[in-house]
Amino acid sequence: GDSVTQMEGPVTLSEEAFLTINCTYTATGYPSLFWYVQYPGEGLQLLLKATKADDKGSNKGFEATYRKETTSFHLEKGSVQVSDSAVYFCALSVLRNTGNQFYFGTGTSLTVIP
Amino acid sequence: ETGVTQSPTHLIKTRGQQVTLRCSSQSGHNTVSWYQQALGQGPQFIFQYYREEENGRGNFPPRFSGLQFPNYSSELNVNALELDDSALYLCASSRDRASYGYTFGSGTRLTVV
Repeated sequence: GDSVTQMEGPVTLSEEAFLTINCTYTATGYPSLFWYVQYPGEGLQLLLKATKADDKGSNKGFEATYRKETTSFHLEKGSVQVSDSAVYFCALSVLRNTGNQFYFGTGTSLTVIP
Repeated sequence: ETGVTQSPTHLIKTRGQQVTLRCSSQSGHNTVSWYQQALGQGPQFIFQYYREEENGRGNFPPRFSGLQFPNYSSELNVNALELDDSALYLCASSRDRASYGYTFGSGTRLTVV
């Protein structure tokens, strides 16, 4: 069945370090892929998205490329800041006969230390 | 424009009871979806409504039901509560079933004792 698997955390990085959070998916057809972020005490926010293969989503210095050949959507940022500390969720949506279906990964907690 | 608002923010219920959670969609949004997020886990998709009709459902039993009203606000009803139903329930709205445009509310924390 459809699913999302993302790198387990927690992840602790120093400020200005390079970030990669791995995400792979299983889905037939043409899913859309997303990264959501949840800051402490707040709701989920869409960080970036990609709706077809080879699309690159980007926002706030974060990037992820939809790789159909490796079924991956890894999140990267070249230089993290303390304000990036949050939980990051990889997600996919796909249209089935029963309607839209959504799947989230378990989340990866990121802490950036000064 | 207003965001997605959910009520109540916290709720405690007894096993076997019924509960209704409410969600007001962001202005201009006609699609709403509900999620259950257990502690330390990712959100699990419950169902989606588009223009008052169910438009997709996750792997949840029938005791989880919903409604969407003409003003696109929504309810999640859970009957015969079980201890495992304790979780954060999230509502998200978007325009025209656009999965990439979802705005999430801050959730309702339900505790079943």
